[in-house]
Parts: sequence; structure tokens; C-alpha cells
Amino acid sequence: DSGVTQTPKHLITATGQRVTLRCSPRSGDLSVYWYQQSLDQGLQFLIQYYNGEERAKGNILERFSAQQFPDLHSELNLSSLELGDSALYFCASSVEYGGSGEQFFGPGTRLTVL
Amino acid sequence: AQSVSQHNHHVILSEAASLELGCNYSYGGTVNLFWYVQYPGQHLQLLLKYFSGDPLVKGIKGFEAEFIKSKFSFNLRKPSVQWSDTAEYFCAVNNNYQLIWGAGTKLIIKP
Repeated sequence: DSGVTQTPKHLITATGQRVTLRCSPRSGDLSVYWYQQSLDQGLQFLIQYYNGEERAKGNILERFSAQQFPDLHSELNLSSLELGDSALYFCASSVEYGGSGEQFFGPGTRLTVL
Repeated sequence: AQSVSQHNHHVILSEAASLELGCNYSYGGTVNLFWYVQYPGQHLQLLLKYFSGDPLVKGIKGFEAEFIKSKFSFNLRKPSVQWSDTAEYFCAVNNNYQLIWGAGTKLIIKP
């Protein structure tokens, strides 16, 4: 158990819908990272927040957005969902600002878009 | 742009065989290097990391990796694999801004 929690574990929805994925980092970690893992694209870094502020952006679509709240939990919002958005979404957390240290991963949310 | 290359996307070995998974990165400055492992149905977890010092790093479950700065490489090794090593292995490099991930290598160990 990494100490990072993600909810829900599974999510099934239809195209065009909007969903919110939630992540709670390890106690004391200020950085939260979101990743998408799919069979065809592999592991893709989406976005990082540090203490409530956006820190780095990766391959995140404009239909996706995220935020980190004062209690440091983070939410990833996916809208206008397409079949290709079906994937495993991981959240990770770390103490560091710049991602120089170990990241601790949550169990992931499996999103299925029908 | 910085990149990380993992040469083998799929590797199939028999139990007790030796393993070496390649990882090369393109960034020329100071780097921190990581290998993560993802067992079937599980989340990623750290296998080993290199920040500085001895370039031969030992990790969990008998894995080790060698940082060769001149070759921009950080290859993962294990002298004798077990069926339980079946997993996907990811190399990642940090360049003080964010982790850059390799595409992963799926390792299948035949019993």
C-alpha cells in the first residue's frame, strides 16, 4: 500500500459524458501527478500540481482539467468523453517540487467509455 | 526534447535465465534515474533509483542497475529471473523539472 488513494476504482460511462476522478496523496506529500495508461499509448504524464498550483503539463487534452485543493487532494475532470479515453488513470504523489524524487502511485481508476 | 528509450518492448525468458533491460536517455545534465515495476493488475512501484555515488545500484527482489554516464544508459539486470518477475518495467529520468518515462518493457517469464 503506497498511501495514495484513488476513487472510484472503476468507472463506466458513455461517450460525451463528463467524469471526475479523485486522488488523495500520501500524508505530507505536496505534489500530485496524473497519468494515463492505455494499451496503445503506454504511460503518459498528464499534469502535475504542487501545493495547489499547476506545476507541469504533459500530454493533457483540452477536454481534461485538474485541480488540487487546499487539503491537497486532487481531482481530474474528463469531459466530452470519447471511446479513446478508455484507460487506466493513475495518480502519484511525492514530497518534492520538481519531481526529482520517488513518486508513489495509487491503485488507479479504470475508465471505460462505451 | 528529453527522451527515454527502452529498447525492448517485449521480452520472454525462462526461469533462471539472466535479464538485462536497456534504458537510454537523451538529457546531458545531472539526472536522477529510476526503474519502476508494474505487476499484473497492480500499480507502479519503485524498483530502484540512482541519484549519485556508486553507479551500481541495488534494488528490491534481487534487481540491480548500472548507470553509465558516458553511454547515457541505466540498464536493469537480474542474474536469475523467477516466474513472479513477470511484469512491466519502466525506466524514468528526472531532469530537475519532471520525470520523463520510457515506453515500458513487458517481461514474461515462462515457468
